[in-house]
Amino acid sequence: KNEVEQSPQNLTAQEGEFITINCSYSVGISALHWLQQHPGGGIVSLFMLSSGKKKHGRLIATINIQEKHSSLHITASHPRDSAVYICAVKGSNYQLIWGAGTKLIIKP
Amino acid sequence: GAVVSQHPSWVICKSGTSVKIECRSLDFQATTMFWYRQFPKQSLMLMATSNEGSKATYEQGVEKDKFLINHASLTLSTLTVTSAHPEDSSFYICSARAGTGDTEAFFGQGTRLTVV
Repeated sequence: KNEVEQSPQNLTAQEGEFITINCSYSVGISALHWLQQHPGGGIVSLFMLSSGKKKHGRLIATINIQEKHSSLHITASHPRDSAVYICAVKGSNYQLIWGAGTKLIIKP
Repeated sequence: GAVVSQHPSWVICKSGTSVKIECRSLDFQATTMFWYRQFPKQSLMLMATSNEGSKATYEQGVEKDKFLINHASLTLSTLTVTSAHPEDSSFYICSARAGTGDTEAFFGQGTRLTVV
């Protein structure tokens, strides 16, 4: 079993839909990252969380430390949100453990 | 957020040659830089961690003589793929972090290496 599990692996939705991507982990962490990887490969850091909730524009990230679970939400999704979204946790040695990613396609 | 510049964004090289990839932190001093590799449809895999002025720490299975990492200054780390082979073709990404521990890391744009 992977230490970081993301679901779903693939998600296709219509423009405007509310999107939720989930991340569960099995190790103790000091922080959790949500990252966005564009088709060209470049990675953008969206959030770093250690507790609670963060919001940036149409993106919302939450984390429940007790349940070892985090969610990334996208409101009013748009085709430009199409990308791979990656959850990564920072373990006890401060190195990142990566999820497999969720490929999101938003259709116009 | 802070900016990490990685260069080149893509490179094609002949088998047997060496390729150098640069990772620069543009507006902060990066005490630690990480190098990752991503094969198609797979997760990013940590290759090595480098602290400025020290030898890099390589992950198990990563050949340190093949993937030379130099972190000579607080703003620049380089990864050199020596004697490249087609199986080295991959996407390489660096990240840089100021400070230690929980300090956030910032990512370069990545380099797509194709060895022919």
